[in-house]
Amino acid sequence: NAGVTQTPKFQVLKTGQSMTLQCAQDMNHEYMSWYRQDPGMGLRLIHYSVGAGITDQGEVPNGYNVSRSTTEDFPLRLLSAAPSQTSVYFCASSPRTNYEQYFGPGTRLTVT
Amino acid sequence: SQQGEEDPQALSIQEGENATMNCSYKTSINNLQWYRQNSGRGLVHLILIRSNEREKHSGRLRVTLDTSKKSSSLLITASRAADTASYFCATDMNSGYSTLTFGKGTMLLVSP
Repeated sequence: NAGVTQTPKFQVLKTGQSMTLQCAQDMNHEYMSWYRQDPGMGLRLIHYSVGAGITDQGEVPNGYNVSRSTTEDFPLRLLSAAPSQTSVYFCASSPRTNYEQYFGPGTRLTVT
Repeated sequence: SQQGEEDPQALSIQEGENATMNCSYKTSINNLQWYRQNSGRGLVHLILIRSNEREKHSGRLRVTLDTSKKSSSLLITASRAADTASYFCATDMNSGYSTLTFGKGTMLLVSP
């Protein structure tokens, strides 16, 4: 199993550009989440999904969209990038509620 | 908002010594988890302790949970240089879904 994969590893965007961060898992996990990690801030939840077709907002959802058309994939879309979205983004999956989460390697995004 | 807060923010010890990190949280939880993050990498799950458990062991790791004080501690015995990493506690706040709230982490440096 590849576990949780994320692409790209690094990305530089200009303010106003849009892009999609990809996340896929091959463990048949129902639950998937997106976090952002900023220096000194820990991880903050952006959006999460409890199954295909079901998504919900986390702590910091503004400026991001998600969809979950399949169990395997959970892409995160930046609608109009802003410098405040410069961060490291992590995708995670979990087999069920109250269980450990498996994290991807992260995408380092810089918005200039 | 941060649910868990780790203490200390940074810890520097010699190989062979024990390392203790603490986590305090604010609201009732289903479980508390500890994760490790090596520099530039994704988070790796270490241990999960449920709200009805008081202590749990995994190899050189010992976790305690005191729900009356809303606190947990992670003890790493006989530390090795490879234990150098950031350690995060994460709480599942009885939301019904597998979303975690992370603290800001403790950065552990183990010197040879």
